Amino acid sequence: KAGVTQTPRYLIKTRGQQVTLSCSPISGHRSVSWYQQTPGQGLQFLFEYFSETQRNKGNFPGRFSGRQFSNSRSEMNVSTLELGDSALYLCASSWGVSGANVLTFGAGSRLTVL
Amino acid sequence: GDSVTQMEGPVTLSEEAFLTINCTYTATGYPSLFWYVQYPGEGLQLLLKATKADDKGSNKGFEATYRKETTSFHLEKGSVQVSDSAVYFCALSDGTGTASKLTFGTGTRLQVTL
Repeated sequence: KAGVTQTPRYLIKTRGQQVTLSCSPISGHRSVSWYQQTPGQGLQFLFEYFSETQRNKGNFPGRFSGRQFSNSRSEMNVSTLELGDSALYLCASSWGVSGANVLTFGAGSRLTVL
Repeated sequence: GDSVTQMEGPVTLSEEAFLTINCTYTATGYPSLFWYVQYPGEGLQLLLKATKADDKGSNKGFEATYRKETTSFHLEKGSVQVSDSAVYFCALSDGTGTASKLTFGTGTRLQVTL
């Protein structure tokens, strides 16, 4: 059973550019969420999608956006990159949205902004 | 808002030593509680979970009990191995049904030596 797949695994961008990260959830999982991990702020929730609808959003500026497709695959986009956006971006999927559901995480996309 | 507090690391232990990583939380409602582990260069893996008070989660020799009276979910293992070296995160999902919005602690790095 394939896990959560994130692409690309590593990327380097410069300030002002934009970036798109992709996440393919486990087959059958309909919920996808995104987290940002940095040494200073730790793991922070970005947003959650279920059945192509954004259900929840964390406290991030509008430069961070996402979407989910009908096959549950998700993308997140960061525009006008800043140095502080350098982080490991983790995607997680789950079957549903119950509070007891387990999230399965991908290996992450490590973004470096120069 | 919800929060999770973990003991500061790093924790350095000799192989076969007893491990305790403290975790306390603040939340409204009835959260589910989780321990995730992150190995170098990888995403997060679920270690164990508990969904209601007095539940004990266990996996691979690790245990944690959901203590509502002390708002705690401490992680324990009777005999650690070198392969347990990783970063451990305590997390909660709130009681409103939004499974994907996890609140994480800052993580505790465990290093086990021979």
